[in-house]
Amino acid sequence: GIQVEQSPPDLILQEGANSTLRCNFSDSVNNLQWFHQNPWGQLINLFYIPSGTKQNGRLSATTVATERYSLLYISSSQTTDSGVYFCAVGPGTSYDKVIFGPGTSLSVIP
Amino acid sequence: DGGITQSPKYLFRKEGQNVTLSCEQNLNHDAMYWYRQDPGQGLRLIYYSQIVNDFQKGDIAEGYSVSREKKESFPLTVTSAQKNPTAFYLCASSIPGQKQFFGPGTRLTVL
Repeated sequence: GIQVEQSPPDLILQEGANSTLRCNFSDSVNNLQWFHQNPWGQLINLFYIPSGTKQNGRLSATTVATERYSLLYISSSQTTDSGVYFCAVGPGTSYDKVIFGPGTSLSVIP
Repeated sequence: DGGITQSPKYLFRKEGQNVTLSCEQNLNHDAMYWYRQDPGQGLRLIYYSQIVNDFQKGDIAEGYSVSREKKESFPLTVTSAQKNPTAFYLCASSIPGQKQFFGPGTRLTVL
């Protein structure tokens, strides 16, 4: 089945710093999502981005489907950005499920 | 308010008991999903349903059962056959193949 990898697994940032999170996937995808899980467990959908670039405030995402990766950019990080960031792919042409990556755990310190 | 509700927020189960977790959505979504999350881990798919009266097993369906009798509702039963059910359970819904929305989750603990 499709494999989804995320890097880095853990990241510690000083407040105000920028960061890039990466999601690699092993098969073609028809859609890709980025989520933020806050410390209380709630998952918030940040982007639905099967291809191209989208921006939402300090966050932006780019998916290059032909090269099988997506990037999430966080600029001017704030302590409220802390949590775990997941990418999820699918359904695709050869599979009908949504597959989550292992996540990147981000800690933003004051 | 449109959204997904899960109840209860916390659930305690004795060994050998079946328990049912509730998931309700008023987003008019056809697809609904159940995921399990263990501490420090990612999400693993238990069951999903693309349409009423139909559902498919995910990657870790053993010891769980679901029903989808109404579009709005997708309850998950954790049976006594699930040997290690202590986990955080998340329900989601979507238009099939589109953006997923998640409920707040249920934390299940086996006593």
